[in-house]
Amino acid sequence: QKEVEQDPGPLSVPEGAIVSLNCTYSNSAFQYFMWYRQYSRKGPELLMYTYSSGNKEDGRFTAQVDKSSKYISLFIRDSQPSDSATYLCAMTDSNYQLIWGAGTKLIIKP
Amino acid sequence: NAGVTQTPKFRVLKTGQSMTLLCAQDMNHEYMYWYRQDPGMGLRLIHYSVGEGTTAKGEVPDGYNVSRLKKQNFLLGLESAAPSQTSVYFCASTPGGNEQFFGPGTRLTVL
Repeated sequence: QKEVEQDPGPLSVPEGAIVSLNCTYSNSAFQYFMWYRQYSRKGPELLMYTYSSGNKEDGRFTAQVDKSSKYISLFIRDSQPSDSATYLCAMTDSNYQLIWGAGTKLIIKP
Repeated sequence: NAGVTQTPKFRVLKTGQSMTLLCAQDMNHEYMYWYRQDPGMGLRLIHYSVGEGTTAKGEVPDGYNVSRLKKQNFLLGLESAAPSQTSVYFCASTPGGNEQFFGPGTRLTVL
């Protein structure tokens, strides 16, 4: 069993929809929780990170962490075609190394 | 400010050949990483470095070697390439903390 599970998708939604992307994890020692966005044939780039349980908002993006359930989510409001990408969750272990989910491919249809 | 650059962008090797991938960063970052990305597997850490002259093994180090002779450069070597090493290789750097800055990747095919 992988330490971080993420549905690979693809997830296809119409423009303007609210998107929910999720990861589950098994290691309760994970400390920081991140979402990276990766466009096709590009390297990942950091979108958001959170430390504690709760919500963090940045524009149309909201990151949510539930440590009791070992579950994190990324919500995208008013989705745009430019949001089409692969979204990877990542978490830091006790050695501050990043443990990655497999990524979810998101397609926003105009 | 170029950020993180990787050379080459594409490469095709035959089984048993060797090659070196070069990663360069101009942000004066201490930490550098080499990952491979395969479909359905996410990013897997091959080797990393916490400073000039240091290297350490990651999750999947077998078949790879690295060197960090200069702070700005991190080299990944394949001594005897195998088809299982067909992948997209990403280099990343960070000054510390959670944000890693990635290069554009190298697409390697081993026949």
